[in-house]
Amino acid sequence: SAVISQKPSRDICQRGTSLTIQCQVDSQVTMMFWYRQQPGQSLTLIATANQGSEATYESGFVIDKFPISRPNLTFSTLTVSNMSPEDSSIYLCSVENSIGQVRYFGAGTRLSVL
Amino acid sequence: EDKVVQSPLSLVVHEGDTVTLNCSYEVTNFRSLLWYKQEKKAPTFLFMLTSSGIEKKSGRLSSILDKKELFSILNITATQTGDSAIYLCAAEYNNNDMRFGAGTRLTVKP
Repeated sequence: SAVISQKPSRDICQRGTSLTIQCQVDSQVTMMFWYRQQPGQSLTLIATANQGSEATYESGFVIDKFPISRPNLTFSTLTVSNMSPEDSSIYLCSVENSIGQVRYFGAGTRLSVL
Repeated sequence: EDKVVQSPLSLVVHEGDTVTLNCSYEVTNFRSLLWYKQEKKAPTFLFMLTSSGIEKKSGRLSSILDKKELFSILNITATQTGDSAIYLCAAEYNNNDMRFGAGTRLTVKP
């Protein structure tokens, strides 16, 4: 499986600010995924990030709030913009194995918004 | 509506007990069923199941899929405190969609 490095591992932010989360993979991958896990809930897909094209967002998530960059096949960023306490969650980066069957996850970013 | 339902939502057992975690799914164009263990933040992959009736086994953990009845179970025998975690199942469907269940929080007491 790919080694996925995600940072920061946690942060505490003030309302109205933005945070950019980075995800680095040790091998080239076509698709990268960003998930959110709110307290006590399961994983919800925010968007799929493909290199060379705009990210595809799931229902309920918009680019203005969660802009994503995917400059190459090993790196992606997710920005949580204009944060509010409701954005307090774990944010997870994920990639698929080479045959696109299993998704592996980074260590996650625990975000708390005051 | 596509959905994945896990039960129970939480479970408390003592070391040495055997547990069975359930996952049912209703998705279009089902492809595979995956199990993950989430201890702190990152879910770690356990099993992927694509065929009915074929048990996947890793140490004290095993899992099986029933595509007719649309469910899977995850068994853990001789539980240890280190098995305490949230266990997530996910159904992969359509071209590349994946939906996660709410998870089962397992607590193993010494």
